[in-house]
Amino acid sequence: AQSVTQLDSQVPVFEEAPVELRCNYSSSVSVYLFWYVQYPNQGLQLLLKYLSGSTLVKGINGFEAEFNKSQTSFHLRKPSVHISDTAEYFCAVSHMEYGNKLVFGAGTILRVKS
Amino acid sequence: DAEITQSPRHKITETGRQVTLACHQTWNHNNMFWYRQDLGHGLRLIHYSYGVQDTNKGEVSDGYSVSRSNTEDLPLTLESAASSQTSVYFCASSDPSTGTEAFFGQGTRLTVV
Repeated sequence: AQSVTQLDSQVPVFEEAPVELRCNYSSSVSVYLFWYVQYPNQGLQLLLKYLSGSTLVKGINGFEAEFNKSQTSFHLRKPSVHISDTAEYFCAVSHMEYGNKLVFGAGTILRVKS
Repeated sequence: DAEITQSPRHKITETGRQVTLACHQTWNHNNMFWYRQDLGHGLRLIHYSYGVQDTNKGEVSDGYSVSRSNTEDLPLTLESAASSQTSVYFCASSDPSTGTEAFFGQGTRLTVV
């Protein structure tokens, strides 16, 4: 079975500051890893994904994430946030062995303050 | 452009009523999923389908059913709505040949009173 833990339910940060949203996963097999963003009253949009290869993955809107197999982590980072980054962020895992079903973490609300 | 559409966007219903939420995708994806989103729980899988006539139970399937009569649609039915089913429901689809990215609808906010 797979599971995902997002270590912070809310992260407040000032505009132009760096941010890291933490995600740990557990799985008995190698997994695919994803970060999705949800803006208020909208669906989920893919930020980035790790399937294989380079452990540093770059996504949209200046976000990046690093896959760390030994620590079973996939933390999301951005060097300088904007007000428009205020949203809820979800980490998720899947694998073809589990039928490509996404298993989500509980989400982290990023609040960017001016 | 291909898309995935949910309807209605908002629904208020009474306890005990049957409710059906629609999901229609034009990606021609075989994989389709229904999730519910609740504060503190993220998204939890209700039902999923890998193709026409295929349906499977997810993590929180009690009180829900789905049917897949064509590739484009996976309607979700609440047999007898309960207050515990007040939630935001998301439909998603993915291509099994890549098995990776899932595309989500805009969600349906259901309130059971």
